[in-house]
Amino acid sequence: QITLKESGPTLVKPTHALTLTCTFSGFSLTTTGVGVGWIRQPPGKALEWLALIYWNDDKRYRLSLKSRLTITKDTSKNQVVLIMTNMDPVDTATYYCARLFTSRRGGENFDYWGQGTLVTVSS
Amino acid sequence: DMQMTQSPSSLSAFVGDRVTITCRASQSIISHLNWYQQKPGKAPKLLIYAASSLQSGVPSRFSGDESGTDFTLTISSLQPEDFATYYCQQTYTTGYTFGQGTKLEIK
Repeated sequence: QITLKESGPTLVKPTHALTLTCTFSGFSLTTTGVGVGWIRQPPGKALEWLALIYWNDDKRYRLSLKSRLTITKDTSKNQVVLIMTNMDPVDTATYYCARLFTSRRGGENFDYWGQGTLVTVSS
Repeated sequence: DMQMTQSPSSLSAFVGDRVTITCRASQSIISHLNWYQQKPGKAPKLLIYAASSLQSGVPSRFSGDESGTDFTLTISSLQPEDFATYYCQQTYTTGYTFGQGTKLEIK
């Protein structure tokens, strides 16, 4: 059974950094073709992909947020950490982590998701 | 930047109706298109991957198709549990762009 769960602060002050941890089970981040990504969703708005880390430690970032994001993995702990610096009230959102899987038909998809964690940015 | 334009943004339908949601990519993405369903307060759920492949455990009333840069999600006979918001997503280019969503409501 594959599960993912996000953890981190629910409230962050403006200009401060946010650190989120995704703890997963049921798969390994050393398996070829597997990755873990972060996606966020502001209240009432659409999904927005943020960052992704692959089994081989290759990393991808949303272009508009690249300077503020860092993604790392700890395969021994089955965890992926996302750091977002210089938080602003517009970053208030539910943050999800999800497993990325590469299908044999080509393309990638997020096939398992965490429940999400709401992060509010406010002083 | 890759743009994914989803239409309509909202849709009202009856149980038993056949509905189709469209997603248009701003450039070729081959078949690297996924569809997700999201219910209020819940995480998205993968329905269709690679444009037309049904994710394991998803009812066969859901189907996906593609024609060039146009992609469709069809629900053949709406069930009460299908009323939700649907998102397309491209994974051909880094950016992994989602569409704006289509909210499907009961008429």
